[in-house]
Amino acid sequence: AQRVTQPEKLLSVFKGAPVELKCNYSYSGSPELFWYVQYSRQRLQLLLRHISRESIKGFTADLNKGETSFHLKKPFAQEEDSAMYYCALSVPGGYNKLIFGAGTRLAVHP
Amino acid sequence: GAVVSQHPSWVICKSGTSVKIECRSLDFQATTMFWYRQFPKQSLMLMATSNEGSKATYEQGVEKDKFLINHASLTLSTLTVTSAHPEDSSFYICSAMDSQETQYFGPGTRLLVL
Repeated sequence: AQRVTQPEKLLSVFKGAPVELKCNYSYSGSPELFWYVQYSRQRLQLLLRHISRESIKGFTADLNKGETSFHLKKPFAQEEDSAMYYCALSVPGGYNKLIFGAGTRLAVHP
Repeated sequence: GAVVSQHPSWVICKSGTSVKIECRSLDFQATTMFWYRQFPKQSLMLMATSNEGSKATYEQGVEKDKFLINHASLTLSTLTVTSAHPEDSSFYICSAMDSQETQYFGPGTRLLVL
C-alpha cells in the first residue's frame, strides 16, 4: 500500500537557519510527489511538485528514488514560513488521488 | 489563480439529521473533485473521488450510504452526510482538479453534530 511518512510533528528553528522537512514514501512504481502548505487559518495550497523542479518561496525538494524520499529544504528560514507542511503522493492512474503524510509544523522564531 | 469554495463554512445540526456541503470550482471546470476529512491535529484523509456524471469512488472504510456524493456539473460537487451522529463531527475539505491535474483545495466545512 502507498504510504507517506513525515517523521517530525514539529520543527522549530530560528530565523535565518536552514530548514529540512523530511518526507519518505512507500510505492513500488513512479509516483508524483507534492508539498502542500497550510498557513494559519488559510486553506491548503500547493507549494511545489517534483516534476516541476522549481523553487517556490526559496523552497526546493528533490525526489530521491533510491531513498524513497522527497525532503523539503530552504537554506534560510523566514518567520513567514511558519506553517503546517504536508507531503503528498499521487499514484499515476489512480484518478490522481493524493495520499497525505501526517504533516510537520514548522515554527520559525525571530 | 484557481479558486474553490465550500458552503457552508460551518454547520451545527442535531443527531439524525442530514447535512449537505457544496464544493464549487469558481473559475475552472473540474471533472474530478475529491472529498477529505480532517480530524483535529491530524492529516487529511481521502474519503472519496467524485467524477462528473458518474458514481463516486469511495475509499476503503467509507460508507457510501452514509456519505452521499453527487457531481452533477463540472463546477459543483456535493457531499451529504446522512443521519449524522456526533462521531461524524469533523472538518470536511474538498478539492478540485484542473486540466493540469493540480488539486486546488476549498477552505473546509466544520461540522458539529449535537
